[in-house]
Amino acid sequence: DAKTTQPPSMDCAEGRAANLPCNHSTISGNEYVYWYRQIHSQGPQYIIHGLKNNETNEMASLIITEDRKSSTLILPHATLRDTAVYYCIVLLRANDYKLSFGAGTTVTVRA
Amino acid sequence: DTGVSQDPRHKITKRGQNVTFRCDPISEHNRLYWYRQTLGQGPEFLTYFQNEAQLEKSRLLSDRFSAERPKGSFSTLEIQRTEQGDSAMYLCASSAGTGSRNEQFFGPGTRLTVL
Repeated sequence: DAKTTQPPSMDCAEGRAANLPCNHSTISGNEYVYWYRQIHSQGPQYIIHGLKNNETNEMASLIITEDRKSSTLILPHATLRDTAVYYCIVLLRANDYKLSFGAGTTVTVRA
Repeated sequence: DTGVSQDPRHKITKRGQNVTFRCDPISEHNRLYWYRQTLGQGPEFLTYFQNEAQLEKSRLLSDRFSAERPKGSFSTLEIQRTEQGDSAMYLCASSAGTGSRNEQFFGPGTRLTVL
């Protein structure tokens, strides 16, 4: 599975969009990009995933560049409850049983 | 159904003792996963089950660790002869194993402290 690089931390103002970058320059054509988050003292929570196309659900949007070497998770209107560690994970669909979380980005939403 | 549950939530033990953790997955989820998370790190995959079959084990799962899922429902993770390095949060997750998302639903974890 391809490695990912994320900034260790970022701040965001409440009510504003939070844009979380992830680099995955060695991604292969059949590897998916998954995002999970972990709120303090809880287990991780699935957010979204995609292969090539941009994706949107009730939680977030995922923008994948055309060359697929990077992606951005967008939280459209960040709230204080979005403060968490966000993990970008790249893996084959066939390997989706073993998530490899890395260090993630600690996002702090400030009032 | 209220999600994945784990018991106990906290366990303090002395080095050399055996401990056992239980995970109850979401009903009808046929896949079950165990992860370990140490302070400041992301979770690390330990093992996973498809129904009652244990299909993969990480090299992190030493001989002192054993996991079972006897009837394809709940699972147990046992650590024998605990060491201080075993201190961590042990997370369980389950998934339906089908569909395009196959998202894993995580429990709250069991925090193990080995003195």
